[in-house]
Amino acid sequence: AQKVTQAQTEISVVEKEDVTLDCVYETRDTTYYLFWYKQPPSGELVFLIRRNSFDEQNEISGRYSWNFQKSTSSFNFTITASQVVDSAVYFCALSEARGTASKLTFGTGTRLQVTL
Amino acid sequence: DTEVTQTPKHLVMGMTNKKSLKCEQHMGHRAMYWYKQKAKKPPELMFVYSYEKLSINESVPSRFSPECPNSSLLNLHLHALQPEDSALYLCASSPVLARSYEQYFGPGTRLTVT
Repeated sequence: AQKVTQAQTEISVVEKEDVTLDCVYETRDTTYYLFWYKQPPSGELVFLIRRNSFDEQNEISGRYSWNFQKSTSSFNFTITASQVVDSAVYFCALSEARGTASKLTFGTGTRLQVTL
Repeated sequence: DTEVTQTPKHLVMGMTNKKSLKCEQHMGHRAMYWYKQKAKKPPELMFVYSYEKLSINESVPSRFSPECPNSSLLNLHLHALQPEDSALYLCASSPVLARSYEQYFGPGTRLTVT
């Protein structure tokens, strides 16, 4: 069975600090897909990034960066120079094959609070 | 336009009521999903439709009845709910039902059962 662990339940930082959200996954699949989603207080989950298992390049998008390491089964997310608008719950997820279908296995989420 | 819309935003219903949640997407996606999310928990998958056919039912009680009338619309019919069914109900869509595609979520319907 697949599993996603986000050990950090809540993180509080002051604006402009850098923060890293950890994600560790377990899967027996050799091909798999990882995702990060942001859920602000409004409730909608916002897709941030998708990473497949055979592409280990790190990715940077503005203040966001992702570090994928197959050797440690981790897919960590760093926000540089955090802002109040980054306050949200962040979910890491792993896509699982179910016959011809598929489903997402979510981690329990990390609540990030950025204060002035 | 990566937008999934859901109506209503909020719904309060009694245990004997019948109501429906609606979801719509105009991205040409052929897979649509219903999730239930309790406070401080991750979303839990309820149903998945692929090409308007039910593909996954995660053993959801029969008081929840999904319907996919066409490729753009997804409904969730509610009947004889319990207070523990109070939650945020999220709809999502993806281009097709495959592991490699991200899902796009709507803003959700916050349901309260009294």
